[in-house]
Amino acid sequence: GAVVSQHPSRVICKSGTSVKIECRSLDFQATTMFWYRQFPKKSLMLMATSNEGSKATYEQGVEKDKFLINHASLTLSTLTVTSAHPEDSSFYICSARGKAAQETQYFGPGTRLLVL
Amino acid sequence: GQNIDQPTEMTATEGAIVQINCTYQTSGFNGLFWYQQHAGEAPTFLSYNVLDGLEEKGRFSSFLSRSKGYSYLLLKELQMKDSASYLCAPMDSNYQLIWGAGTKLIIKP
Repeated sequence: GAVVSQHPSRVICKSGTSVKIECRSLDFQATTMFWYRQFPKKSLMLMATSNEGSKATYEQGVEKDKFLINHASLTLSTLTVTSAHPEDSSFYICSARGKAAQETQYFGPGTRLLVL
Repeated sequence: GQNIDQPTEMTATEGAIVQINCTYQTSGFNGLFWYQQHAGEAPTFLSYNVLDGLEEKGRFSSFLSRSKGYSYLLLKELQMKDSASYLCAPMDSNYQLIWGAGTKLIIKP
């Protein structure tokens, strides 16, 4: 399958700081990238969908000013958690998909964020 | 509304066979994916079905019946490393994957 990397894998930060997470598709062009968060033993929650060169589409209840998403190229998308608070602590996972909408989403390894 | 129904947890024995069932209701349908997720890790792709029938891939097979809104994942010759959650994710008319909480599979020696 296709390879998606995510960096960093783990981050601990102080409350009020911003954290940037990178998601890269290593061996294919990711027309669409998705950002999810997952709490322990819960299902994946889609936060936003981004298409290369366009503004991200956020799911209901997700603050776009707090979770800034950039998808500037076909291989890179970034999620910035601005002014992070302890309740933002979670497992953030990106996935990437090629040009066709029914193509498989391949997931990055995830980023575990802990806000103190 | 859209929903997925899978057993919360299943237990099976190493070397045996297990079938994980999934029923779903979606607005439109563009296929169904199965993913495996080990604890603390991201999901990994297992299979995709868009037509009715059985797709076999090594020890894993996936079945789909669109008219019944039903799929199953069949795991043969179970190994300890198969202990994980298995996520059934149908794709709706907007090509969005619908996620449930998955089935936690516990393999015992």
